[in-house]
Amino acid sequence: DTAVSQTPKYLVTQMGNDKSIKCEQNLGHDTMYWYKQDSKKFLKIMFSYNNKELIINETVPNRFSPKSPDKAHLNLHINSLELGDSAVYFCASRQEQGSGYTFGSGTRLTVV
Amino acid sequence: ELKVEQNPLFLSMQEGKNYTIYCNYSTTSDRLYWYRQDPGKSLESLFVLLSNGAVKQEGRLMASLDTKARLSTLHITAAVHDLSATYFCAVGRGSNYQLIWGAGTKLIIKP
Repeated sequence: DTAVSQTPKYLVTQMGNDKSIKCEQNLGHDTMYWYKQDSKKFLKIMFSYNNKELIINETVPNRFSPKSPDKAHLNLHINSLELGDSAVYFCASRQEQGSGYTFGSGTRLTVV
Repeated sequence: ELKVEQNPLFLSMQEGKNYTIYCNYSTTSDRLYWYRQDPGKSLESLFVLLSNGAVKQEGRLMASLDTKARLSTLHITAAVHDLSATYFCAVGRGSNYQLIWGAGTKLIIKP
């Protein structure tokens, strides 16, 4: 029973394409996040949703658009992919303020 | 702007030795997290430290938090090879506690 599941695990695509990454959590958590980990392993927040409402939108190109159809799902759609978008994208969820996060297994995106 | 600095960034040590990873952060926060990441894997929560003076231990790992010094430490006792991984500290920011991450410490423990 995977707590936070992401699909796909690997994604290889050409520049200019549009792609989506899906995330689902079965923990009943209220808040979900997208983090990006670059090639140097540095992690950075991208977006956060609380009960389907966008509450954090960091300085991310507007080619990236999160969508939360319900509080258990947070998807990430990326338009016009660029080489610099290559990274590992992690979805995470959290129940209450201060509690630990639960991370998905990550999606390794490679843009060629 | 909240900044989180870890040191060292790379640590190679022998089994059986003790060592400490340091995590400094630049502005006030009362939430500090330690995570472990194995190569190609996800992030595993190790500790959540919620108050000044908090100390938590799990096996050979012990984490502490000094909010006045804005410093957390992760101490490794009698290291074993299985502890080889990258360790991240992260500080909670804002009412939503988004995480601001350190750069990670890559720990290699040699038999």
